[in-house]
Amino acid sequence: EVQVVESGGGLVQPGGSLRLSCAASGFNFDSYAINWVRQAPGKGLEWISAITNSGGTTYYADSVKGRFTISRDNSKNTVYLQMNSLRAEDTAIYYCAKEQIAIRPRSGNDCWGQGTPVTVSS
Amino acid sequence: EIVLTQSPGTLSLSPGERATLSCRASQSVSNNYLVWYQQKPGQAPRLLIYDASSRATGIPDRFSGSGSGTDFTLTISRLEPEDFAVYYCQQYGGSPFTFGPGTKVDIK
Repeated sequence: EVQVVESGGGLVQPGGSLRLSCAASGFNFDSYAINWVRQAPGKGLEWISAITNSGGTTYYADSVKGRFTISRDNSKNTVYLQMNSLRAEDTAIYYCAKEQIAIRPRSGNDCWGQGTPVTVSS
Repeated sequence: EIVLTQSPGTLSLSPGERATLSCRASQSVSNNYLVWYQQKPGQAPRLLIYDASSRATGIPDRFSGSGSGTDFTLTISRLEPEDFAVYYCQQYGGSPFTFGPGTKVDIK
C-alpha cells in the first residue's frame, strides 16, 4: 500500500523549533517529489515547501523561507521539515504529500498523510 | 507569486445538478500546471484533476477540468451526495505553488 505518515508535531513556544518527518512506503521513494502543505484551523490549504526526487532542488513559500528547511534521506524513505523561529501563525496541521508522477514533478499530489498538528503558543 | 482566485466562495446546489467552479490566476500558469483537489471535513485533500484537464486515477468521469492560461474551470456534471465538499485549485506553473482559497459546494 502506498502511504506517507507524518510525525513530529506538537506544542512549541514562539521562537522554538520542531522537526517534522514524513515516512514513505509502498512506492519507489527516490522517484517522487514530495510536498509539505499546511492548514490552519478552519482555513484553507497553504503550500509551504517541496523537494525533488533526488533532493537536488527545493522550493519554499515566502511565509517560511529562511525559517524552514526541507530535506530527504532516500536511504530511509523519509522527508524532513526543519522548522525554526516558529510563530503563532505557523499553527496548523502539516500534511506531507507525494507527487503522482515519477520523475515529473508538478503533477499534483495523489497520496497524503493524515497530517501532524503543530501548535505555537506560550 | 501567482495569486489564484476561486469563485464562487460557496455554491449551493441539489444532488443531480451541475456544478461549475472557477479558478482565475493573476498571471498565466505555465504549461497549464493547474490541479484541483476535493477536501471533506477531517480528511486530507484528494487529487481530482492535473494539468488542467487530466483526471487522476480513479476519479469518476463526472469530474472534468478545462481552461488554459489564466482561466480554469472544474465541472461536476451531476452532483452525487458524496461530492459536497470544498474544492481547491493549485498552480504549479511557478514557485511558490499557491492554492486558491477554495469553493465550498453545499447542499441546497
